[in-house]
Amino acid sequence: KAGVTQTPRYLIKTRGQQVTLSCSPISGHRSVSWYQQTPGQGLQFLFEYFSETQRNKGNFPGRFSGRQFSNSRSEMNVSTLELGDSALYLCASSLGQFEAFFGQGTRLTVV
Amino acid sequence: AQTVTQSQPEMSVQEAETVTLSCTYDTSENNYYLFWYKQPPSRQMILVIRQEAYKQQNATENRFSVNFQKAAKSFSLKISDSQLGDTAMYFCALYGNKLVFGAGTILRVKS
Repeated sequence: KAGVTQTPRYLIKTRGQQVTLSCSPISGHRSVSWYQQTPGQGLQFLFEYFSETQRNKGNFPGRFSGRQFSNSRSEMNVSTLELGDSALYLCASSLGQFEAFFGQGTRLTVV
Repeated sequence: AQTVTQSQPEMSVQEAETVTLSCTYDTSENNYYLFWYKQPPSRQMILVIRQEAYKQQNATENRFSVNFQKAAKSFSLKISDSQLGDTAMYFCALYGNKLVFGAGTILRVKS
């Protein structure tokens, strides 16, 4: 059974640009959640999608958005990138409301 | 609100010895789940062990076990017979209505 797949693995973007990250969950998992990991703030919850609906949202500005498609794949978009958005972005999928399985992450560097 | 506190930023243990990582949490949810995740240098988050709050029996997975004290809101992880491959960042996490992580504990296993 394939695990959670995140693409791309690495990204370098310029301030002011926008970026889209992709996450393919484990087959059969309908819940996808996103996290930002930085040395200073640790792991922070961005949002969670279940059956194409955003079920929960963290405390991030509106520049951070996401969506989920009918095949449960999810995308996360960050507009007007700032230097502080440089982070490891982790996606996790789950079958129910617990036991999240993580992808390898996308390392975003904003220059 | 949900909070998770890991008060030990770093710990070291000799190979084959036992080590305990501490975690306390707070939540207003009646039904919740607790987890320990391991993040090795590869940055892949790996689920180590989980505990359902409604279960009194402490969870065990091979060399890993927890001490779940619900009234004290404490959830510590014990690693027995430590191995070099256990070297990683360990995160305690709580799922009430979303997954919230502690700041992490870096564990170094020395030969």
